[in-house]
Formats: sequence, C-alpha cells, structure tokens
Amino acid sequence: AQKITQTQPGMFVQEKEAVTLDCTYDTSDQSYGLFWYKQPSSGEMIFLIYQGSYDEQNATEGRYSLNFQKARKSTNLVISASQLGDSAMYFCAMRVNTGRRALTFGSGTRLQVQP
Amino acid sequence: NAGVTQTPKFRILKIGQSMTLQCTQDMNHNYMYWYRQDPGMGLKLIYYSVGAGITDKGEVPNGYNVSRSTTEDFPLRLELAAPSQTSVYFCASSTSLATTTDTQYFGPGTRLTVL
Repeated sequence: AQKITQTQPGMFVQEKEAVTLDCTYDTSDQSYGLFWYKQPSSGEMIFLIYQGSYDEQNATEGRYSLNFQKARKSTNLVISASQLGDSAMYFCAMRVNTGRRALTFGSGTRLQVQP
Repeated sequence: NAGVTQTPKFRILKIGQSMTLQCTQDMNHNYMYWYRQDPGMGLKLIYYSVGAGITDKGEVPNGYNVSRSTTEDFPLRLELAAPSQTSVYFCASSTSLATTTDTQYFGPGTRLTVL
C-alpha cells in the first residue's frame, strides 16, 4: 500500500517570497509518479506538476518546481515569487504505474500568501 | 472540449434516500475514478473502472455502487444515504497509455449533504 504524508497543516508566506511545501511518501513499488494539486476555495482540483520515479531531473513548471529526493522518499514543492492567488490547499499524491493507477493523497497543506 | 463533467453540483439528501451522481468524460479515457473528500482531508478512492464493463472497489466503497456501460459515463449510486456520506465527491479520468506521465483529470465535484 502507498502512503503520503504532509506534515504542515498550514503555512504562511509573504507575497513575492518563495515557499516550500513538504511531502514524503512510502511505497514498495519501483515505478510510480508523484503529483501536486492545488485546490482553491472554489473547490476544483488543479494539476500543478508531476515527477516520475525514474526521472533524473527535478520537475519544473513555471513558478513551481520539485525537490525530489528518491532515497529519502520526499518530493517537496517549491513555489517561487508567491502571489496572492497562490493561497489555497495543496495536495501531494502518488500513483503506482500498475494496476488501478489510482491516486493516493496526503492530507494537504493550506498556504496563505500575505501582502 | 468539456473534459470531465459532474452533475449535480450540490445536493441535500435526507437519511435513507438514494441518488445517483453523474460523471461523463469526453476524452476517450479508459480509466475512471470516484473519490470523496471529507472536510479538511485529502481525497479517498471509492471505486474505479479500467474500461467499460469493468469496475472494482477502492478504499471506501461501503454504501456505494457503480456501473460502467460506456467509456464516457461512470455514475456513482448512493443507496440509503447516511450522514457519514456527507462529503465532496470528485470524478476523475485518465488514459491507459504505457507512458507514466499522464495525470488524472478531475471534474468540478459534487457537494453532498445528508441530513
């Protein structure tokens, strides 16, 4: 079974600063994917960024980047130059690449960006 | 291209009533999923389907049923609603390609309250 742990229930960051959201995972599978989703107050799930277990480079998507440390089983999300619109819940999730390929989610981190 | 659509957006049920949550995707995805999100928590898998006619249970299937008669549609049936089923329900879909990079596309969610 897979498990995702997000240990930061809430985070504050000043506008224009960078922030790191932590995520650790546990799985015995070798082939898997790690995802981050943003959930604003409106409730929809917005896909942000993906990291594959065999990817050697850390993933980047615009202001989002991942600090992927496979040996430590962690995949922290870095948001650079925070904006007020970044205030939301952020979920880390993983999917093994066999079988049902469903996502296992962490409990989330609520990020609040302050002006 | 509508992606994943869900109806209704909101619903209030009385204890013991039944209802069907509708989910449709127009991306010709084989994999479809139902998740529930309880307040302040991450999403948990209820049921999933890997293709028309094939469904299976996820982590929290009790009190629910599904069917998959077409590629596009994956309805979730609640029988004898209970207050514990008060939650936000998300439908999602993904491809079944060999590539490991495909993400899941989420519908906007259905907010269900059982009183």
